[in-house]
Amino acid sequence: DAGVIQSPRHEVTEMGQEVTLRCKPISGHDYLFWYRQTMMRGLELLIYFNNNVPIDDSGMPEDRFSAKMPNASFSTLKIQPSEPRDSAVYFCASSLSGRADNEQFFGPGTRLTVL
Amino acid sequence: QKEVEQNSGPLSVPEGAIASLNCTYSDRVSQSFFWYRQYSGKSPELIMSIYSNGDKEDGRFTAQLNKASQYVSLLIRDSQPSDSATYLCAVFRDDKIIFGKGTRLHILP
Repeated sequence: DAGVIQSPRHEVTEMGQEVTLRCKPISGHDYLFWYRQTMMRGLELLIYFNNNVPIDDSGMPEDRFSAKMPNASFSTLKIQPSEPRDSAVYFCASSLSGRADNEQFFGPGTRLTVL
Repeated sequence: QKEVEQNSGPLSVPEGAIASLNCTYSDRVSQSFFWYRQYSGKSPELIMSIYSNGDKEDGRFTAQLNKASQYVSLLIRDSQPSDSATYLCAVFRDDKIIFGKGTRLHILP
């Protein structure tokens, strides 16, 4: 079975450019999560969706960040305009439901470098 | 106070010994607790979950939870070089998982 799929795996861009990260969750999973990981701040939850609806975006750092989930099999995280401090690894994860005992499965991540 | 705190390490343990990883959390309403393992350059993967006070064993791994002290630990028996990784403690509340920054574990051959 395919796990969570993310693209691109690596992205290098210049400050001010728009960046779009993509995620395909595991089929049948109702929840989708976007995380950002840096050495300084660790793994932070940015936003999560339940059945394609954004539930909590309190972790989105600022208005430059936006996320969408147009259908059950696809989500995007967009940064516009990008800044060097956005450089991080961005993970997408999905779970069967939001119950405490359900495991979150992580994708391989997108390593973003903003020059 | 940070919600989930871990010693960043590195924690160096000889091969075959017991590795002990510790974590404290600040919110008493936290419902469930997890340990994720993350190899360098890879994504986190769940290795243990625990929901009630006491010990939970799975192979070489034992998770321990003390809700009164707001303390979670992970013991790895018979440590192997393949256990070298960063271990993330996580707590679940309000439909969200909150992660600690992780402890780097290095098993010495």
